[in-house]
Parts: sequence; structure tokens; C-alpha cells
Amino acid sequence: GAGVSQSPSNKVTEKGKDVELRCDPISGHTALYWYRQSLGQGLEFLIYFQGNSAPDKSGLPSDRFSAERTGGSVSTLTIQRTQQEDSAVYLCASSLAGTGKQFFGPGTRLTVL
Amino acid sequence: KQEVTQIPAALSVPEGENLVLNCSFTDSAIYNLQWFRQDPGKGLTSLLLIQSSQREQTSGRLNASLDKSSGRSTLYIAASQPGDSATYLCAAPENTGFQKLVFGTGTRLLVSP
Repeated sequence: GAGVSQSPSNKVTEKGKDVELRCDPISGHTALYWYRQSLGQGLEFLIYFQGNSAPDKSGLPSDRFSAERTGGSVSTLTIQRTQQEDSAVYLCASSLAGTGKQFFGPGTRLTVL
Repeated sequence: KQEVTQIPAALSVPEGENLVLNCSFTDSAIYNLQWFRQDPGKGLTSLLLIQSSQREQTSGRLNASLDKSSGRSTLYIAASQPGDSATYLCAAPENTGFQKLVFGTGTRLLVSP
């Protein structure tokens, strides 16, 4: 079956612009996660959605970052007023509730000029 | 706060060698531990997940062990092949639940023909 998909695969934007990154989880997976992978910082957790529960936003680095998940499926990560330090690969993962095994998408490479 | 460390940072071996990658974590109250593989420019592929009640998991030429008391996990790769060349990441959950994975910085493996 289809895995986790993300779009776009690459995004180049100018400093100060807003960007939206999309994630389509594996069908039936109720949990969805966003991570960021940047040079010097490694992989870091951003946000977690589980079903209809309030998301865990504890990893979001600033209030310029937000995410939503519509209909318990597709998720969008929005970065407002992008900064050069936001340049990174943004990875999305999904899992079945209770299993702990996360399946990752290919990522979106964001470059802020 | 969970911290995950991986050694070595890089490893270069000739084809056919058996090798061991090491992972240590600071908080032993974990639900599970996962090993991932990441190819350049790609997302993460889950290799093995070891539940806290297990001591090891095997998949083909890969064997992962978990020793919670010492805060260590190892990934053993038997009869290495050039196709095994990739970065290997281990991840342990934050102690608040298994939702947030904390990643090590990875071991970059190169297997030469």
C-alpha cells in the first residue's frame, strides 16, 4: 500500500514569506508527527496529532510555526514569516495508535534565501 | 529529558564484515526503541522496533538488542554489503510517552566493495 507522502519535495522561498508543507499519512493511521532535520541540530520533534485529541505542540520552536490536521488525515505545517534558520528538511510520520512504530515520508526540503 | 547518543559517528568497512553500531539513552523508562536507516536525500526507513519487554529483534541480517538497565542498544549487521551504506539512526521516546521520538545523531556507514 501507499506510504506517507509529502509535498512539495523541495521548496525555495524568500525570507519573510509564508510556506505550507503538506503530509498525507498512511490510510488508517490515527497518529501523525512532524519532525525537522537540520544541519547541526539533528532530528527534532515538532508536533504530534492523535485522533481528535488536542495536538502536542511542545516541540514547535516559535509561534511562527503552526500545524493542523483536517478530517483526521491530511496535515499542513505552516511557517509564517520564514527565517533563514528555518531552512531544513521537514519530515512527517504516521503510526497506528498504540504501536509506537512510526513510518516516515520522504520529507520536504525547505530553503529560505 | 531523554538524550540519545550514537557511536561511532562514522564507520567504513570492507564488504563482508560484521559490524556493531551503538546507541545509548539516558532515561531507561522507555516503551520501545527504534532503529532507522536514512539514505542521502531520503526519508527514514524503520528497520527494527524493540519493545521494552523484549531484549532483541531480528530482521534478515540485522539484529538489534536492548538493555534498558544500562541504557544501551546495539544494531548488529552481519555480512555487510555495499547496499548497506547509509546513515543509521536510533530513537527512543521521551519519558512522557512514546509519541515523541528523540533521535541520536546517527552513524554514517560506508561499505566498500
